[in-house]
Amino acid sequence: ETGVTQTPRHLVMGMTNKKSLKCEQHLGHNAMYWYKQSAKKPLELMFVYNFKEQTENNSVPSRFSPECPNSSHLFLHLHTLQPEDSALYLCASSRSGAETQYFGPGTRLLVL
Amino acid sequence: GENVEQHPSTLSVQEGDSAVIKCTYSDSASNYFPWYKQELGKRPQLIIDIRSNVGEKKDQRIAVTLNKTAKHFSLHITETQPEDSAVYFCAASENAGGYQKVTFGIGTKLQVIP
Repeated sequence: ETGVTQTPRHLVMGMTNKKSLKCEQHLGHNAMYWYKQSAKKPLELMFVYNFKEQTENNSVPSRFSPECPNSSHLFLHLHTLQPEDSALYLCASSRSGAETQYFGPGTRLLVL
Repeated sequence: GENVEQHPSTLSVQEGDSAVIKCTYSDSASNYFPWYKQELGKRPQLIIDIRSNVGEKKDQRIAVTLNKTAKHFSLHITETQPEDSAVYFCAASENAGGYQKVTFGIGTKLQVIP
């Protein structure tokens, strides 16, 4: 349960604020992922980092800016968000050569 | 890109009955199919998975079947219990060179009635 951690767990922000979400994995994995989970929609892959290099960007608006300083840490910087960006943001990690992704507990984001 | 369809979106069963959730995928490059369970307010957790070279896998009360030709796979839960109540997600995954490209289904909310 503590292999992938995320902070904060809950966040309320105004549309003009700037905030950052943090994800940390203690599993020795090389790949890290950001997903957005909205009601009545599938989990949407946002970004993938593999060995600190961004390998996937699923047409995510520039108001979401990821950062991966090393294989254990992943950030999602948020600025000038819209109310429709309110969702659960999940981080996950996986190991090269293995298929299973392990999820963090998520950050519940509310944009007012 | 990959497209995963999942149904039903909601499912209610009596305790002790079986539950079946079905998914289809579109990309023949997908070769790994995990199922995740997400309880309210918690993270998705892997409950069972199957690889494309296997047709069926069982783990106690949970089983998954895969038909590669038809591109569909199913989750079967037998002797359901109230603690099985959760949202279940299927996914189709492809190894993209050191990481996974995963496409999820929309989820099935399972309610087990005591």
